[in-house]
Amino acid sequence: KQEVTQIPAALSVPEGENLVLNCSFTDSAIYNLQWFRQDPGKGLTSLLLIQSSQREQTSGRLNASLDKSSGRSTLYIAASQPGDSATYLCAVLSGGYNKLIFGAGTRLAVHP
Amino acid sequence: EPEVTQTPSHQVTQMGQEVILRCVPISNHLYFYWYRQILGQKVEFLVSFYNNEISEKSEIFDDQFSVERPDGSNFTLKIRSTKLEDSAMYFCASSEGDGVEKLFFGSGTQLSVL
Repeated sequence: KQEVTQIPAALSVPEGENLVLNCSFTDSAIYNLQWFRQDPGKGLTSLLLIQSSQREQTSGRLNASLDKSSGRSTLYIAASQPGDSATYLCAVLSGGYNKLIFGAGTRLAVHP
Repeated sequence: EPEVTQTPSHQVTQMGQEVILRCVPISNHLYFYWYRQILGQKVEFLVSFYNNEISEKSEIFDDQFSVERPDGSNFTLKIRSTKLEDSAMYFCASSEGDGVEKLFFGSGTQLSVL
């Protein structure tokens, strides 16, 4: 059974720092991995999607890497800003084309 | 930018009552999903829907739950005889293609069962 784990559970940093959020999954047979952002009381916003054949994806200050064989992904946030404060969720598409399996998230606080 | 719309944003109901959660997916999307998140827990897959039928469902999605696309724009989740443990944030999502495509989520309906 696929399990997704995210470390750390919470992170508080000063503005301007570069950050790394970690995601691991137990079964390497995935179709893709997505990183989402969740703001309090809001829905999930897809940030980056990495297909199983890809190694990384970049969008602005965000870079996500995927090492399928070791069951790991990292989300790198460059030059963090207070507006980056949110919960970041990692999810893998596994065991079918329709079912995302989520991690518990990393709650990020960036203070001025 | 197109978005998935969910109504209501909050729903309070008495245990044993039926509720219908409504969603309007992005117009050119063909695949629709319901997920839920119990407070303090992970987001969990409930069901996926394509071509007017369920394509996959989780073990959570038992006979208490049903989904429907009653017209060309709405996608609904019905929960019959609600239980206290059904209290959660329910998210609707849609995608243009199957799950290998990016999913777009709505802002959720917070269901409270008293």
